[in-house]
Amino acid sequence: GAGVSQSPSNKVTEKGKDVELRCDPISGHTALYWYRQSLGQGLEFLIYFQGNSAPDKSGLPSDRFSAERTGGSVSTLTIQRTQQEDSAVYLCASSFYTSGEQYFGPGTRLTVT
Amino acid sequence: SQQGEEDPQALSIQEGENATMNCSYKTSINNLQWYRQNSGRGLVHLILIRSNEREKHSGRLRVTLDTSKKSSSLLITASRAADTASYFCATERGAAGNKLTFGGGTRVLVKP
Repeated sequence: GAGVSQSPSNKVTEKGKDVELRCDPISGHTALYWYRQSLGQGLEFLIYFQGNSAPDKSGLPSDRFSAERTGGSVSTLTIQRTQQEDSAVYLCASSFYTSGEQYFGPGTRLTVT
Repeated sequence: SQQGEEDPQALSIQEGENATMNCSYKTSINNLQWYRQNSGRGLVHLILIRSNEREKHSGRLRVTLDTSKKSSSLLITASRAADTASYFCATERGAAGNKLTFGGGTRVLVKP
């Protein structure tokens, strides 16, 4: 079946602009996660959704970052007023169970110039 | 912040040799997972070992877990050029929900 998909695959934006990153999880997966991977910080957790609610937003680095999930499916991660330090690969993952294996998408590479 | 540290950071071996990498973590866990990443993009789940397990096998992969030392190892036997990738350990802690906390990764190069 189809895996986790993310769009766009690459995004170049100017400092100060807003960006939206999209994640389509595997159908039927109730849990959805956003992670960020950068050279300096490695792989970091950002936010976790169970259904449409986000019980854990502890990894969002600032109030410029927000995410939502609608219909228990698609999720959007929004970064407002982007900064150069936001440049990273943003990875989305989903899982059927609340514990165990996560299935990752190919990521969105964000470059802030 | 990262839960785990991995060593070595990089490993270069010949095809057919075994590759071993280690992961240490800091807090109690529900399970520990290993993932592979090619070309700096999506991660692929390899194997999961629960906190009450000590060893697990999957194909050419062998994982051990020592909760007293808060450490795990991943052994890839009879390596192939296609095993060239970065390997990450990730811990899941019950109190923190299902989020994964990743180690820094080991870059493995398998030379043909």
